[in-house]
Amino acid sequence: NAGVTQTPKFQVLKTGQSMTLQCAQDMNHNSMYWYRQDPGMGLRLIYYSASEGTTDKGEVPNGYNVSRLNKREFSLRLESAAPSQTSVYFCASSERRGSYEQYFGPGTRLTVT
Amino acid sequence: GESVGLHLPTLSVQEGDNSIINCAYSNSASDYFIWYKQESGKGPQFIIDIRSNMDKRQGQRVTVLLNKTVKHLSLQIAATQPGDSAVYFCAEKVTGGFKTIFGAGTRLFVKA
Repeated sequence: NAGVTQTPKFQVLKTGQSMTLQCAQDMNHNSMYWYRQDPGMGLRLIYYSASEGTTDKGEVPNGYNVSRLNKREFSLRLESAAPSQTSVYFCASSERRGSYEQYFGPGTRLTVT
Repeated sequence: GESVGLHLPTLSVQEGDNSIINCAYSNSASDYFIWYKQESGKGPQFIIDIRSNMDKRQGQRVTVLLNKTVKHLSLQIAATQPGDSAVYFCAEKVTGGFKTIFGAGTRLFVKA
């Protein structure tokens, strides 16, 4: 099992460009999450999907959209990137909604210039 | 590796010593507490958890202590090894909610 995979690993964007971060899990988990991690801070929840077909806003959703494509895949889209979105993005999954044991991907380092 | 954690509290210990990492949590309504370990260039990894109705839980070389009176959580690592060098996050889950709130983290350095 690969666990949680994310693509790309690194990305540089110019202000105003758009892109989609991809995430997939092969553990048959119901819930999936997108977090961002900034220097000196813990992870902050952007969006989550409690189950296939549902998505909800987290703590910092502004400037992002998500799609739960199927049970395996959960993508994060930046429609018009801003320098404030420079961060490391982590996707995670868990067996059930809000489960304390979340499995994280390796992260995507995004720089917006 | 990532630049996250540049300004984190840091704990430096000698290999073989015990480590204690502390965390103050924010919400008295939290019912689960979790410790995650994040190595450079990787995503966080679950270490151990504890429910709010417990004071102590032990795993392999790790012990988590919970003091609800002062809203304090600690992670004890026995016989610390170089492979334990990482950033450690405590996290809390509020009762009935979906959200896990992560602390800022503590960087552990293990000196050989």
